[in-house]
Amino acid sequence: DAKTTQPPSMDCAEGRAANLPCNHSTISGNEYVYWYRQIHSQGPQYIIHGLKNNETNEMASLIITEDRKSSTLILPHATLRDTAVYYCIVRVGNQGGKLIFGQGTELSVKP
Amino acid sequence: NAGVMQNPRHLVRRRGQEARLRCSPMKGHSHVYWYRQLPEEGLKFMVYLQKENIIDESGMPKERFSAEFPKEGPSILRIQQVVRGDSAAYFCASSPSVGTSGGPKHEQYFGPGTRLTVT
Repeated sequence: DAKTTQPPSMDCAEGRAANLPCNHSTISGNEYVYWYRQIHSQGPQYIIHGLKNNETNEMASLIITEDRKSSTLILPHATLRDTAVYYCIVRVGNQGGKLIFGQGTELSVKP
Repeated sequence: NAGVMQNPRHLVRRRGQEARLRCSPMKGHSHVYWYRQLPEEGLKFMVYLQKENIIDESGMPKERFSAEFPKEGPSILRIQQVVRGDSAAYFCASSPSVGTSGGPKHEQYFGPGTRLTVT
């Protein structure tokens, strides 16, 4: 599975959009981009995934660049409850198997 | 639809005792994963199981740790002769059947974890 690079920490004002970047320059054609988050002391939570098209669900939007070497997770209106560590994970799509968590980005949403 | 259930939520064991951690996957999910999070560290994969089969145990320590997912009942992670270094949060995740085409069907849903403390 391709390696990902994320900034270690970010701040965001409550009510503003949080844009979390992820670099995955060695991504292969059959690898998807997944995002999870872990709120302090809780189990990780699946957010969204995509292959090459932009995706949106009730939690977030995922923007993947045309060359697929990077992506951005967007929380459109961050709340204090979105404070968490966000993990970008790249892996082959249609198979089961382990998730490899990196260090992630610690997002702090401030009032 | 109930989420992934783990019990106990907190477990205290003395060095040398055995720890048994249980995980009930979401209804309809037949794939179970175990992860460990040591204090102030990231999540590390341990083992991936389907009903009655271990698919990938590449993250399991070679000794004292074992896992099973029987035909009936929850998945069990068993740690024999615990040591202080085993103190961690252990998370279980489950996923639905793996898709063979048309895109992934295997986002993993995590339980609340079991916090093991070895004294």
